[in-house]
Amino acid sequence: EPEVTQTPSHQVTQMGQEVILRCVPISNHLYFYWYRQILGQKVEFLVSFYNNEISEKSEIFDDQFSVERPDGSNFTLKIRSTKLEDSAMYFCASRGHYGYTFGSGTRLTVV
Amino acid sequence: KNEVEQSPQNLTAQEGEFITINCSYSVGISALHWLQQHPGGGIVSLFMLSSGKKKHGRLIATINIQEKHSSLHITASHPRDSAVYICAVLVNRDDKIIFGKGTRLHILP
Repeated sequence: EPEVTQTPSHQVTQMGQEVILRCVPISNHLYFYWYRQILGQKVEFLVSFYNNEISEKSEIFDDQFSVERPDGSNFTLKIRSTKLEDSAMYFCASRGHYGYTFGSGTRLTVV
Repeated sequence: KNEVEQSPQNLTAQEGEFITINCSYSVGISALHWLQQHPGGGIVSLFMLSSGKKKHGRLIATINIQEKHSSLHITASHPRDSAVYICAVLVNRDDKIIFGKGTRLHILP
C-alpha cells in the first residue's frame, strides 16, 4: 500500500536554528499538507499546498515557516528560527481521490 | 466552542466489549475522517465518510449529515485496539481538516 514517508523521525535542534522536515507524498496525489501536534494537544492544521503554491494556511503558519516542493517528489517544511514552542510532532499528509494518507510524523524537540 | 467535539475523552473497557465513540461537528463539511493514533504518535486513516456507513473488519463508521454527527464502533474489542481515535472533518470550501481532541481508548485483557 502506498505510504507517505517522513524524515527524520525525530530531530533535536537548538533554539534559533533552522530545521527542514521532509516528506515524500504519494506519487499521484496532488494536494499536500502539514499538521502539527503539540504534546497532549489536538492535531492542528498548518498549511495546504496545491499546484506548487500554498492554498490555505493557518494563523500558526507565520513568516518563520515555509513550504516547498523542490523536485516534484519531496515536500518540505522549513522553520527558519526555531522556538521552544515549536516542539511538536509534525505530520505530512497527501490527499487523493479516496482521502488522506498521513505520514508517521517527525518529532521535533527544540532545546 | 470547538468545531469538532468527541465523546468520551477517555474510555476503558474489557476485551470483547462493543465500543462506541461519538463525534459532533458544527461546520459544513465535505467529508469526515476517523483516524487512529498509537502511542508512538503515527496517524493511520481508518475511514473517510461523506454519507451513510462503512465497515472494515471489526470497525464500523456511520455519519448523519443532517444531525452533524458520526460514530465509530468497534465490535469484539481487543487490547491491540488501544489507541487514540480522532475524528477530523474536511471543511466545505476550505482545503483543511479540523481535528477533534481524540478519544483515548484502553482495552483491558
